[in-house]
Amino acid sequence: NAGVTQTPKFRILKIGQSMTLQCAQDMNHNYMYWYRQDPGMGLKLIYYSVGAGITDKGEVPNGYNVSRSTTEDFPLRLELAAPSQTSVYFCASSQPGSGPNSPLHFGNGTRLTVT
Amino acid sequence: AQKVTQAQTEISVVEKEDVTLDCVYETRDTTYYLFWYKQPPSGELVFLIRRNSFDEQNEISGRYSWNFQKSTSSFNFTITASQVVDSAVYFCALSGVPYSSASKIIFGSGTRLSIRP
Repeated sequence: NAGVTQTPKFRILKIGQSMTLQCAQDMNHNYMYWYRQDPGMGLKLIYYSVGAGITDKGEVPNGYNVSRSTTEDFPLRLELAAPSQTSVYFCASSQPGSGPNSPLHFGNGTRLTVT
Repeated sequence: AQKVTQAQTEISVVEKEDVTLDCVYETRDTTYYLFWYKQPPSGELVFLIRRNSFDEQNEISGRYSWNFQKSTSSFNFTITASQVVDSAVYFCALSGVPYSSASKIIFGSGTRLSIRP
């Protein structure tokens, strides 16, 4: 049982390049989330999904896109990378209603630098 | 709109002292959930506790305790007899009713706790 798997762990992009951050979970969770954590700051919600085919914007969606074609996968797409997108990206999943303590399960993060 | 405020940016105490981390939230929902997460220096995020808005009982787990007060919209976290291993960034978070438009989980900006030996 791998939990939430994020790839890659590290990436350096040049301004204007595109990339997809991968996130997969094997817990059959309906809910999945993408957060970014800037240095010394909290987590900001980028996008989230309550099930396959359903996505919604979070607090800071500009410059990103997501899709949720399956329950397991929730990729995050950066189309035109900008220095402001330098951050650590965390993917998470949860299954509300699975008990009194149904926490977010986080991946280990992707550290992205845009130069 | 939902909002979580952790006014304490950094706290530093000497080992064995008690320390309380404050969390104040804003929501228009009548049903909501509050969380605390720990992020140690290694960077991963560790779930500590979840409470729903209908359960105001305080909870104790070993050296950790949580005080939920709806009247003041606060969900404070106390570590008793702190240890160096408690050094981490602690995040408070808020979510609305699952399977609704308010189901997103919003985090506070975190409190960096340093425990000095």
